[in-house]
Amino acid sequence: GNSVTQMEGPVTLSEEAFLTINCTYTATGYPSLFWYVQYPGEGLQLLLKATKADDKGSNKGFEATYRKETTSFHLEKGSVQVSDSAVYFCGVDNQGGKLIFGQGTELSVKP
Amino acid sequence: DGGITQSPKYLFRKEGQNVTLSCEQNLNHDAMYWYRQDPGQGLRLIYYSQIVNDFQKGDIAEGYSVSREKKESFPLTVTSAQKNPTAFYLCASSPLASPPYNEQFFGPGTRLTVL
Repeated sequence: GNSVTQMEGPVTLSEEAFLTINCTYTATGYPSLFWYVQYPGEGLQLLLKATKADDKGSNKGFEATYRKETTSFHLEKGSVQVSDSAVYFCGVDNQGGKLIFGQGTELSVKP
Repeated sequence: DGGITQSPKYLFRKEGQNVTLSCEQNLNHDAMYWYRQDPGQGLRLIYYSQIVNDFQKGDIAEGYSVSREKKESFPLTVTSAQKNPTAFYLCASSPLASPPYNEQFFGPGTRLTVL
């Protein structure tokens, strides 16, 4: 089956710093790729997605590009805010109607 | 508003008691999922269902049971056989019938504490 490896946290940044959270996957075919965000005590929210190679998903200043050649889907943001503090999960489509999630990366942004 | 509801948000039970967590969706989604999340860890799949009256075990099904009698409902029972039931439980649904087929929508979660 498919799998996801995600950058370990926690990641601590100052406000307005550049963010990268690495995500690589193993999969057969062309799975859809996702980034979810989880704020403390809440469920996961879809942040962005990409369904085919070279697609760029974007939302709220976050971006990720589906790189088939490097099997990666790294999350980036040019200038983080304190309100971006959360846990971020990378997910890959799996055969059989399931998503496979990475272990999550905790981001803490300091003023 | 369309969405997924889970109730209650916090649940306390004594050791040895069965407890049922509710999950309802009005998104008309075909598939529903239950995940367990422990502090500082990712999501682990307990059970999932792609159609009414059918469900499959996930990675950690032991000590749990589910039913899918209606499309919009997928309750999870944590039985006394589950050795470490204290955790945050998340329910999700996905449309399956339209791309991207496995985009999942999550409920707010139920935090279960067994005393």
